[in-house]
Amino acid sequence: DVKVTQSSRYLVKRTGEKVFLECVQDMDHENMFWYRQDPGLGLRLIYFSYDVKMKEKGDIPEGYSVSREKKERFSLILESASTNQTSMYLCASTPGRRGPYNEQFFGPGTRLTVL
Amino acid sequence: GQSLEQPSEVTAVEGAIVQINCTYQTSGFYGLSWYQQHDGGAPTFLSYNGLDGLEETGRFSSFLSRSDSYGYLLLQELQMKDSASYFCLLYNQGGKLIFGQGTELSVKP
Repeated sequence: DVKVTQSSRYLVKRTGEKVFLECVQDMDHENMFWYRQDPGLGLRLIYFSYDVKMKEKGDIPEGYSVSREKKERFSLILESASTNQTSMYLCASTPGRRGPYNEQFFGPGTRLTVL
Repeated sequence: GQSLEQPSEVTAVEGAIVQINCTYQTSGFYGLSWYQQHDGGAPTFLSYNGLDGLEETGRFSSFLSRSDSYGYLLLQELQMKDSASYFCLLYNQGGKLIFGQGTELSVKP
């Protein structure tokens, strides 16, 4: 089974802190994604990566950055956390080169609260 | 613009059949997928339609009609464990992922 893991299930941080969310997948997938999920808004894509050291902005990249130094690991960084970044963060991966995606494999999510 | 519309809530009883619709406004896309998400859990893939027509996977089926700009997820023989959120996901030809806002399904005894 494909396994996507995220570093924390729950995280509480203070405004202005630098926050790292890590995602690891064990199936050698090329593509990895970071989303946030908020009630009534569905999933929104923050960033994605289709190869090591490659990244592309999604729909809401402001306030976030990402890093993909190894194929299996995709990190989301909040440079200076703000209260409006309180959300559920979901990581996902898919196999195959850049192109139409079929099944996305999601991690369990990290519920981040910024105080 | 590009958007996917789903009903926000649906309620049904055990053993019944329920259909969750997903209508879209976009031109040129590869396919439509459906995911299930239990409260507090990770979304899991249910079905994908690349072509028009019906795809059946056990109790769940999914349908796509490009000419009518909509798709649906059909859940048969509903069970209590089917209570969850269901969302559709569209892949357009620009490589953009477009998500529906999700439909909360409540299955009553």
